Amino acid sequence: EVQVVESGGGLVQPGGSLRLSCAASGFTFSSCWMHWVRQAPGKGLVWVSRINYDGSSTTYADSVKGRFTISRDNAKNTLYLQMNSLRAEDTAVYYCVRGTVRGGATTMFDYWGQGTLVTVSS
Amino acid sequence: QSALTQPASVSGSPGQSITISCTGTSSDVGGYKYVSWYQQHPGKAPKLLIYEVSNRPSGDSNRFSGSKSGNTASLTISGLQAEDEADYYCSSYSNSATYVFGTGTKVTVL
Repeated sequence: EVQVVESGGGLVQPGGSLRLSCAASGFTFSSCWMHWVRQAPGKGLVWVSRINYDGSSTTYADSVKGRFTISRDNAKNTLYLQMNSLRAEDTAVYYCVRGTVRGGATTMFDYWGQGTLVTVSS
Repeated sequence: QSALTQPASVSGSPGQSITISCTGTSSDVGGYKYVSWYQQHPGKAPKLLIYEVSNRPSGDSNRFSGSKSGNTASLTISGLQAEDEADYYCSSYSNSATYVFGTGTKVTVL
């Protein structure tokens, strides 16, 4: 059974840092592109970042570029999101998502974790 | 990276069909066949419904169908059921190897 399980969320002050982790199982992690998607309370889904199979290519939403870093450890089947210079507007549930790739792009987000809540507040 | 535009809410009676639109630009919806749709019940993670405009994951209900014309994609739910009451989101690949979601549509079964 495919599973992705996020951890690392919590309360952090504005300007602070947090690192999210996502443990993957039930599929060949090293063959899959992975994404982070977030959802602010009562709001819609927002794509945050993507990493390719081996971590050699990453992309980010403009709203987090320069502050967030996505990475992966294929030996540990784990995805990470390092979040620095956090702002109140980064408050959201963060989902770890597997992407299926065709033609060099993710064409579907097919497996989602249950999410981990990040709250940025003083 | 502006969100794709969806109607805030759509409603229908049991057994009816409803359609949710998803409008983008030539840089996302209109430029690629990589539109997907997701269903999200309250407090739950989103679930994939449709991928690559009109394909359904194997084993999923055929009451959900997708299409696209120009810069607008659509999701149709046929034979509306009480369990279909949820939020629905479209998504598309966009230029510069980024992705964008729609604003979301709340479906109410009357």
